[in-house]
Amino acid sequence: DSGVTQTPKHLITATGQRVTLRCSPRSGDLSVYWYQQSLDQGLQFLIQYYNGEERAKGNILERFSAQQFPDLHSELNLSSLELGDSALYFCASSVVSGRSNEQFFGPGTRLTVL
Amino acid sequence: KNEVEQSPQNLTAQEGEFITINCSYSVGISALHWLQQHPGGGIVSLFMLSSGKKKHGRLIATINIQEKHSSLHITASHPRDSAVYICAVRGNTPLVFGKGTRLSVIA
Repeated sequence: DSGVTQTPKHLITATGQRVTLRCSPRSGDLSVYWYQQSLDQGLQFLIQYYNGEERAKGNILERFSAQQFPDLHSELNLSSLELGDSALYFCASSVVSGRSNEQFFGPGTRLTVL
Repeated sequence: KNEVEQSPQNLTAQEGEFITINCSYSVGISALHWLQQHPGGGIVSLFMLSSGKKKHGRLIATINIQEKHSSLHITASHPRDSAVYICAVRGNTPLVFGKGTRLSVIA
């Protein structure tokens, strides 16, 4: 158990819908990362937050957004869902935002868009 | 060309064999991570390296910064080592991932 929690574990929804994925980092970790793992693209970095502020952005679509709240939990919002958004979404956390910090991964949320 | 290349893509070994998984990268990095992903999907961080070698139990990870290459070794492999092993590098973005090596260890 990494100490990072993600909810829900599974999510099935329809095209065009909007969903919210939630992540609670390990106690004491200020940095949260979101990753997408699809069958064809593998793991890809989406976005990072550090202590409530956006720190880095990767291959995140404009239909997706995220935020980190004062209690440090983070939410990833996916809207106007398409079939291709079906994937595993992982959250990870680390103590700080430095370039060489170990990240601890949550169990993931499996999103299926029908 | 992908920034992170892993080989082999798939590997089947007999229990007890010594296993090596390779990772090459093309960008400057501050750290390299080896991750393990089990069939259920969960990801576990095995090692984070910026130089030299690290050992944890039967797992050994090495990195050669000049050659931009890292290896993950598993000694005395066991069926419970069956998983996907993913190399990831940290450069200008938090992590860039290889496509993974699927390892099956047969008893």
